[in-house]
Amino acid sequence: SSELTQDPAVSVALGQTVRITCQGDSLRSYYASWYQQKPGQAPVLVIYGKNNRPSGIPDRFSGSSSGNTASLTITGAQAEDEADYYCNSRDSSGTVFGGGTKLTVL
Amino acid sequence: EVQLVESGGGLVKPGGSLRLSCAASGFTFSSYSMNWVRQAPGKGLEWVSSISSSSSYIYYADSVKGRFTISRDNAKNSLYLQMNSLRAEDTAVYYCARDRLTPDSSSFYFDYWGQGTLVTVSS
Repeated sequence: SSELTQDPAVSVALGQTVRITCQGDSLRSYYASWYQQKPGQAPVLVIYGKNNRPSGIPDRFSGSSSGNTASLTITGAQAEDEADYYCNSRDSSGTVFGGGTKLTVL
Repeated sequence: EVQLVESGGGLVKPGGSLRLSCAASGFTFSSYSMNWVRQAPGKGLEWVSSISSSSSYIYYADSVKGRFTISRDNAKNSLYLQMNSLRAEDTAVYYCARDRLTPDSSSFYFDYWGQGTLVTVSS
């Protein structure tokens, strides 16, 4: 079965830039999508495709990809960005999520 | 406004059954593939099952294959998940989510999610 690997936890100082990464073989064929989830809430799509943001998502969120690694970058992190972030992709085996990265904004 | 509202969760004994529903509104339900995604307490997201717009294509995670059945009723704008032979490890919040594909087919994503319904499997 396919897998996507994320660092369990990342921290960033308020206003600084942070990159959250996701690795997996399926990312060689498809761009990842990224979801933000705050405690007690449903996930929210923040990035999809090559680097697309849904309406309402701040432009400090961006996505990139290289080889088998996808990255979500937050430029100028805000306190409200503290959350869990999940990557997601799909291949012939099915749909898979990364294990999630807990982002702490210091 | 797109809305997805799950219902049907609750407490069930191991080996029991439960049927979840997801009521969709604000979009043409019959035009979209739909999914169930679950999240065990304190854990990450796990994709459970997907169904194409006309029910022609159905997929399951290995962890639920043979026990869960996804279905939809486009006339009622509703998605369902029949869960049989439930186990303690099926305890989770179950979300329904709308499936999308970028025009160049380079990325799959879930653009709308419901608020989830909690399923607890315990004796």
